[in-house]
Amino acid sequence: DTGVSQNPRHKITKRGQNVTFRCDPISEHNRLYWYRQTLGQGPEFLTYFQNEAQLEKSRLLSDRFSAERPKGSFSTLEIQRTEQGDSAMYLCASSLDEGSPQHFGDGTRLSIL
Amino acid sequence: EDQVTQSPEALRLQEGESSSLNCSYTVSGLRGLFWYRQDPGKGPEFLFTLYSAGEEKEKERLKATLTKKESFLHITAPKPEDSATYLCAVHYWRHGQNFVFGPGTRLSVLP
Repeated sequence: DTGVSQNPRHKITKRGQNVTFRCDPISEHNRLYWYRQTLGQGPEFLTYFQNEAQLEKSRLLSDRFSAERPKGSFSTLEIQRTEQGDSAMYLCASSLDEGSPQHFGDGTRLSIL
Repeated sequence: EDQVTQSPEALRLQEGESSSLNCSYTVSGLRGLFWYRQDPGKGPEFLFTLYSAGEEKEKERLKATLTKKESFLHITAPKPEDSATYLCAVHYWRHGQNFVFGPGTRLSVLP
C-alpha cells in the first residue's frame, strides 16, 4: 500500500505531557500538510512543507506546536504541554505539487485526560 | 472574511433519490476547489478537483460542477454505500497559500 501512513492511530495522554505524531507521505509527493479536525467540523489547516522546508504556518498554530520534515521524507508533529483543547484528530496529507489534490492518511486521534 | 460554507448540514435520502450538495465560498484568487468523502474514523478520500467556472467532473453516481462562487456535488440514484460526510475545500492565494475546508454535509442514504 502506497498511501499516506500515520502513527500512532490513537494517543491518550495526561494534560501537560508532550506528544509526537509521525506521518509517512506517498513517496513521490513533495508537499506534506498537517491538519486538525474536531467532531462535526472540516479539517483545519496547521502547516505545510515543500520537501524539507516549512512554507506556511497557520496563525492558529500556537508555539506549543512544532513540525519537522527532515530530509523531505516523513514528518513529525509535536505538541508540548498538552491542553484539553488539543483533543482532536490530527490528519496528515501529501500532494505531488502545489495544484495537485491532497491525499490524506487516517489520522491520529489525540485524547487528553 | 474568507469563508467556505456547505449546505445542507445533514441530508437523508432514500436509495435512488437524487439530490445535490452545495459548497459556497467567499475567497478571491481561487487556485482550485476539491471535493472529498470522509467515512467515520477515516481520513478524507479525494473525489474531484475543479479549477475554473464552468468545469464539470463525473465519477460513477457523482458529478461536481463549479461556478464563480459555489460548487455543487450532484448525487444520482444514490446507494446506501454513498452514506458519508462530503467535504469541500478551497485552495486560494492571499498573503500566501491558503487551504480551507467547509464543515461538510453528512449524507445518509436509506435502503
